[in-house]
Amino acid sequence: QQQVKQSPQSLIVQKGGISIINCAYENTAFDYFPWYQQFPGKGPALLIAIRPDVSEKKEGRFTISFNKSAKQFSLHIMDSQPGDSATYFCAASTRPLHNDMRFGAGTRLTVKP
Amino acid sequence: NAGVTQTPKFQVLKTGQSMTLQCAQDMNHEYMSWYRQDPGMGLRLIHYSVGAGITDQGEVPNGYNVSRSTTEDFPLRLLSAAPSQTSVYFCASSMGQASYEQYFGPGTRLTVT
Repeated sequence: QQQVKQSPQSLIVQKGGISIINCAYENTAFDYFPWYQQFPGKGPALLIAIRPDVSEKKEGRFTISFNKSAKQFSLHIMDSQPGDSATYFCAASTRPLHNDMRFGAGTRLTVKP
Repeated sequence: NAGVTQTPKFQVLKTGQSMTLQCAQDMNHEYMSWYRQDPGMGLRLIHYSVGAGITDQGEVPNGYNVSRSTTEDFPLRLLSAAPSQTSVYFCASSMGQASYEQYFGPGTRLTVT
């Protein structure tokens, strides 16, 4: 049973466009929602994270939108660049131990020049 | 700082063989975790540790053992390798209560034939 569902599986965007990746979760106890970026052959790296007490968090070209009532959150990449081409994972957990962290299946983003 | 290091980078085992995947971090992080990454399934937590001498099971612990005798090292042992354990394994560490951010190692790609 997948507790965090991520869509789409793959995404192709033109340079300068907006990339949008969506995630939905089931466990209402989750209170930490990170997004990870992974390049081929590398480990995931934290991109941006949000707690449920805010509806939006922005860091540079990356924005997380959070809808607690719908149990959904999304990643928006503005002005997408070829260097953003990577696999993106959303995740959710209830505490900093991460022992209950659940990951989405991943979205492979390709930004065409 | 080297961050989180993992060895080996690649490994091929025959069914029934045992081996240890090594993980070390030089950031004095309290928390360390092992994940496996399989296509279409994101990352799943195998075991985690909140400090030297303390370990616990994650989402998919069967077939794996861990120990944490020092803050720096967190080896993962496969007791009797099975083809279902073919995967990419990532070690991660974090400061714990002081910060939610997890730092991942570069991964070990394991194939069991």
